[in-house]
Amino acid sequence: DAKTTQPNSMESNEEEPVHLPCNHSTISGTDYIHWYRQLPSQGPEYVIHGLTSNVNNRMASLAIAEDRKSSTLILHRATLRDAAVYYCILRGLSSNTGKLIFGQGTTLQVKP
Amino acid sequence: GAGVSQSPSNKVTEKGKDVELRCDPISGHTALYWYRQSLGQGLEFLIYFQGNSAPDKSGLPSDRFSAERTGGSVSTLTIQRTQQEDSAVYLCASSLVKGQNYEQYFGPGTRLTVT
Repeated sequence: DAKTTQPNSMESNEEEPVHLPCNHSTISGTDYIHWYRQLPSQGPEYVIHGLTSNVNNRMASLAIAEDRKSSTLILHRATLRDAAVYYCILRGLSSNTGKLIFGQGTTLQVKP
Repeated sequence: GAGVSQSPSNKVTEKGKDVELRCDPISGHTALYWYRQSLGQGLEFLIYFQGNSAPDKSGLPSDRFSAERTGGSVSTLTIQRTQQEDSAVYLCASSLVKGQNYEQYFGPGTRLTVT
């Protein structure tokens, strides 16, 4: 699976939007872009995923660049509960087990 | 509905002892994964089960680690002759199927401490 690059940490104020970037310049045409997050002392939690088009769900939005070499996870109104490590992961056909390969992720701090 | 459950939530064991960690996946999920997260480290894949197919053991760090999945449901991860470097949080996840378009649901993990 192709590699992703994320900033180590970001800060946000409560109730403001947060844009978490992810670079994946070596993405292949069949790689899905997945986002998971891990709240303190919990297992990872699925957030959202997409292939080419932007995606929205109840938790977040995923904006995918036209060339697919980068994507942005958007939290529309950050809450204190959104403080977590956010992982951007590519999942491709080359991994026939579907296992997730986690990087270091972005640690998001949310200030009241 | 019920999520992925793991037991015990915490386990303290002496170096050299064997331990068994249990995972109950979401009912109907055919794919099951084990990961571990060491202190200050990222999550690393250990082993994967899918139906009756041969498991993918490529992530197991040594032959002291083994896992089985009985009846396509419950899974047990066994660590023999535990070492201090085995101390970590062991996480189980399940997925409806193995495909890249399906999310994985994680359990709360078992925190293993080897003294």
